[in-house]
Amino acid sequence: GNSVTQMEGPVTLSEEAFLTINCTYTATGYPSLFWYVQYPGEGLQLLLKATKADDKGSNKGFEATYRKETTSFHLEKGSVQVSDSAVYFCALEDSGYALNFGKGTSLLVTP
Amino acid sequence: DSGVTQTPKHLITATGQRVTLRCSPRSGDLSVYWYQQSLDQGLQFLIQYYNGEERAKGNILERFSAQQFPDLHSELNLSSLELGDSALYFCASRRGGGHNSPLHFGNGTRLTVT
Repeated sequence: GNSVTQMEGPVTLSEEAFLTINCTYTATGYPSLFWYVQYPGEGLQLLLKATKADDKGSNKGFEATYRKETTSFHLEKGSVQVSDSAVYFCALEDSGYALNFGKGTSLLVTP
Repeated sequence: DSGVTQTPKHLITATGQRVTLRCSPRSGDLSVYWYQQSLDQGLQFLIQYYNGEERAKGNILERFSAQQFPDLHSELNLSSLELGDSALYFCASRRGGGHNSPLHFGNGTRLTVT
């Protein structure tokens, strides 16, 4: 079935460092891909999405490109801030329109 | 604030008991999703409703059931509870059924089974 695999955390970075969180997927057809973020004590919020191959989703300095050839959707940010500390989830949407999430990657940014 | 309201925020109960979790979707949203989040399993899709009808089923146990009412709020019923059912249960809603409308999550109900 459709599934998402993302890198295990926790990831600890210093402020202004470059961030990459890897995400690969297995799917039949061409799913839509998403990154969600969860801050402590809150629900998940949509960070960005891409609905077809070569699409780039971006929001708040975060970017991810839908790569069909490598079945990947890696999340990147050029300069992280302390406020970016959260858990990040990669997800795909299958034909039934239910989101399948990865296990989440915890990010801690230190001053 | 996502506009999705879940009650209660916390629930502590004993094994063998039954509980009901409630979700009010954002105004105008027709689809409601239920997810279970635990440390070992991550975020697992349980079930989806669209305008009162069951639309998709995920890894939902037979001891669990859900429904969506005419006013579009939804309830998730968990019965014969086991220690392993302790988790954070999220409800999410979206306008329609597909990827063109974002999924909005509530803040979850934390269930502790003792």
